[in-house]
Amino acid sequence: EDQVTQSPEALRLQEGESSSLNCSYTVSGLRGLFWYRQDPGKGPEFLFTLYSAGEEKEKERLKATLTKKESFLHITAPKPEDSATYLCAVEGETSGSRLTFGEGTQLTVNP
Amino acid sequence: DTEVTQTPKHLVMGMTNKKSLKCEQHMGHRAMYWYKQKAKKPPELMFVYSYEKLSINESVPSRFSPECPNSSLLNLHLHALQPEDSALYLCASSQTGQPFDQLFFGSGTQLSVL
Repeated sequence: EDQVTQSPEALRLQEGESSSLNCSYTVSGLRGLFWYRQDPGKGPEFLFTLYSAGEEKEKERLKATLTKKESFLHITAPKPEDSATYLCAVEGETSGSRLTFGEGTQLTVNP
Repeated sequence: DTEVTQTPKHLVMGMTNKKSLKCEQHMGHRAMYWYKQKAKKPPELMFVYSYEKLSINESVPSRFSPECPNSSLLNLHLHALQPEDSALYLCASSQTGQPFDQLFFGSGTQLSVL
């Protein structure tokens, strides 16, 4: 069974204070690891897909990295508008298009 | 147009009511999904339609009945729900439903069952 654990559960940062969110996973044959951002009362918004260890992707202040056991979402010089819940999900070879989501990290960036 | 549109945004219903949730996308995607999300929890997959055929049913109770009239539309018919069914119901679409597909989510319907 695929498993995803995200840490920390909640993170408070000051504007400009860089940090990282962690996503540890156990999956039988990783097809893809996905990062989504979710604002309160809205659906998740796609950020990145990572396919293999060593891969990195960037978008504005966000950078996602992947190893064989975990993924990090690095946030550089965050702004208040980066406040959201960040969800990590994996798709394994035996999951049949089902994503296994982690519980998310709730990020708050104070001005 | 990269939107998935869900209606209504909010719904309050009694346990004896029948209601429907609607979802529409015009991105030419051939896979559509229903997810259920409780507060402070991740989304849970309910149903997947691929090329208008039900391909995944995650053992969802029969009081939830999905329907895919065409490749752009997805409905979720609700009947005799329980208070524990109160949640945010999310519709999503993807290009084909194959591995690596990016999911596009709608904003959801916040359902309250009294």
